[in-house]
Amino acid sequence: DTGVSQDPRHKITKRGQNVTFRCDPISEHNRLYWYRQTLGQGPEFLTYFQNEAQLEKSRLLSDRFSAERPKGSFSTLEIQRTEQGDSAMYLCASSSTPAADEGYTFGSGTRLTVV
Amino acid sequence: AQKITQTQPGMFVQEKEAVTLDCTYDTSDPSYGLFWYKQPSSGEMIFLIYQGSYDQQNATEGRYSLNFQKARKSANLVISASQLGDSAMYFCAMLFRAGANSKLTFGKGITLSVRP
Repeated sequence: DTGVSQDPRHKITKRGQNVTFRCDPISEHNRLYWYRQTLGQGPEFLTYFQNEAQLEKSRLLSDRFSAERPKGSFSTLEIQRTEQGDSAMYLCASSSTPAADEGYTFGSGTRLTVV
Repeated sequence: AQKITQTQPGMFVQEKEAVTLDCTYDTSDPSYGLFWYKQPSSGEMIFLIYQGSYDQQNATEGRYSLNFQKARKSANLVISASQLGDSAMYFCAMLFRAGANSKLTFGKGITLSVRP
């Protein structure tokens, strides 16, 4: 296992378009998290899954955002009708349950630019 | 409410010297974990070190050590013998264990620049 993979690494889109990001977690990890990071800030929690169940969503996750983890393996994060304020790094992470002293393993992120 | 605070401005250190990056936290939960992550310009968050709230000794991992002062609610990262490759953003994070929905909460980060 090579760690958490995210695709694409970079995405430039026009305002109003829809975008979808993919995350492949470490296979033994049953928890998967999405975070958003804007320039000069720490990552902010968006949502997380345990297996295929989405257990929590942040208030940051407006109704334009939707996340899925259909078979408890990879996850997708879709943003509909993108806005310039959506420009950020979207980080995916995975962990075992419970995440003890190893914390989370993060992917390299998808950097979204909305023009 | 749980909160992580990193207030230092950008930090500079001379190569081969030690540097301390500050982190304070606020929680009423007795059980929690503290983490430091490094984020180079490539964007990936790299796990550095972990300290559990019940651990009696300060954590160490190679050149990284964590100065954990529970009563002061601080968890400062000490990097010894700085290297040019240590230049990056550093984030303190906390995992609150109470309840099933615990998740990592991050501070705003500190930029470290190592000078040759």
